[in-house]
Amino acid sequence: GAGVSQSPRYKVTKRGQDVTLRCDPISSHATLYWYQQALGQGPEFLTYFNYEAQPDKSGLPSDRFSAERPEGSISTLTIQRTEQRDSAMYRCASSFGRGRGELFFGEGSRLTVL
Amino acid sequence: QQQVKQSPQSLIVQKGGISIINCAYENTAFDYFPWYQQFPGKGPALLIAIRPDVSEKKEGRFTISFNKSAKQFSLHIMDSQPGDSATYFCAASSSYNAGNMLTFGGGTRLMVKP
Repeated sequence: GAGVSQSPRYKVTKRGQDVTLRCDPISSHATLYWYQQALGQGPEFLTYFNYEAQPDKSGLPSDRFSAERPEGSISTLTIQRTEQRDSAMYRCASSFGRGRGELFFGEGSRLTVL
Repeated sequence: QQQVKQSPQSLIVQKGGISIINCAYENTAFDYFPWYQQFPGKGPALLIAIRPDVSEKKEGRFTISFNKSAKQFSLHIMDSQPGDSATYFCAASSSYNAGNMLTFGGGTRLMVKP
């Protein structure tokens, strides 16, 4: 696509529910990153994919968080048994490769856990 | 652990003035330092970037100054314009990390008054 697309843009859920966020990266981009951004803070790394491989999950806050990119294109981030502290903006970014090229960010998915 | 510290958190500058945002990092393995600009409702977008083999990089009104010994770098916006009003994030990454994921500062909210 023309840019990185994320959905839903806004999600309100109740504590304990599972949530899945979707990212559709730029079609030619091999690398995809997920970041979590709290209000008034900078993005914090969660995980990344190189095509369908997920070499680094070190930023995922707990085992309630998981991500997939089964065909090396669209990715999903799932949060199980959501907690209020999970409320944040979740940003997806893609890049052509793992070199120091530009990261292209989506507009994010704002998650609110009540 | 905040590996990239950014200041100030907010900045108000008159039109035509110089905006200066500073960042300090701890990880000596960092070897790529980009600045991202974020407008409300949008994702961060790459503005300018520098590698540690140079001390300064200029692109139009935007200049990065880099001090390797002090582990500091800064963004200077000359002749600041109201359209520059946005949140600015410094970031850093290391080529020793296979994913080259970016570590972001906390952000600076810049307002340029007409």
